[in-house]
Amino acid sequence: NAGVMQNPRHLVRRRGQEARLRCSPMKGHSHVYWYRQLPEEGLKFMVYLQKENIIDESGMPKERFSAEFPKEGPSILRIQQVVRGDSAAYFCASSKQTGSDTEAFFGQGTRLTVV
Amino acid sequence: GESVGLHLPTLSVQEGDNSIINCAYSNSASDYFIWYKQESGKGPQFIIDIRSNMDKRQGQRVTVLLNKTVKHLSLQIAATQPGDSAVYFCAETGGFKTIFGAGTRLFVKA
Repeated sequence: NAGVMQNPRHLVRRRGQEARLRCSPMKGHSHVYWYRQLPEEGLKFMVYLQKENIIDESGMPKERFSAEFPKEGPSILRIQQVVRGDSAAYFCASSKQTGSDTEAFFGQGTRLTVV
Repeated sequence: GESVGLHLPTLSVQEGDNSIINCAYSNSASDYFIWYKQESGKGPQFIIDIRSNMDKRQGQRVTVLLNKTVKHLSLQIAATQPGDSAVYFCAETGGFKTIFGAGTRLFVKA
């Protein structure tokens, strides 16, 4: 049973380009969470999705950032017109259900560098 | 509570000593707590969890203590080893969203 798979592991983009980060949850998991981590800092919640629905995007910037979790395929975090401040590690986690006693499993992250 | 951009505090311990990492959580309605370990270049890994109806839970070499009165969580690592060097995060869940604390970097000196 493969864990949470994120790709690419490393992504370099020039300012103004688009970044697409992919997350395949663990088998049987229908809940996906995206977190952002700056160097030497903690993980900051961005968005929580279930299949085809965004449940909570309170941590996501209003502009340039979007997320989806289609019925088929991985969850995608999309950053348009990237700026240097978007450089960070982006982690995806998945869980089987939501609420208490629900452990979320994390992927290895995508490290985005904007040059 | 949620990380707000503060740099990580650091704890340095001698190999073989016990380590205690502390965390203050923000939401008194949170009812499930997890400690994660994050090694350099990797995603967080589950260490141990505790429900709000408990005040202590033990695992292999690790113990989590929960004090709901002051909204405080601690992780104790017995006989700390070099492989324990990592960043440790506490996380709280109240509902569906897992909120991470700021994290503590643990250095283990040989």
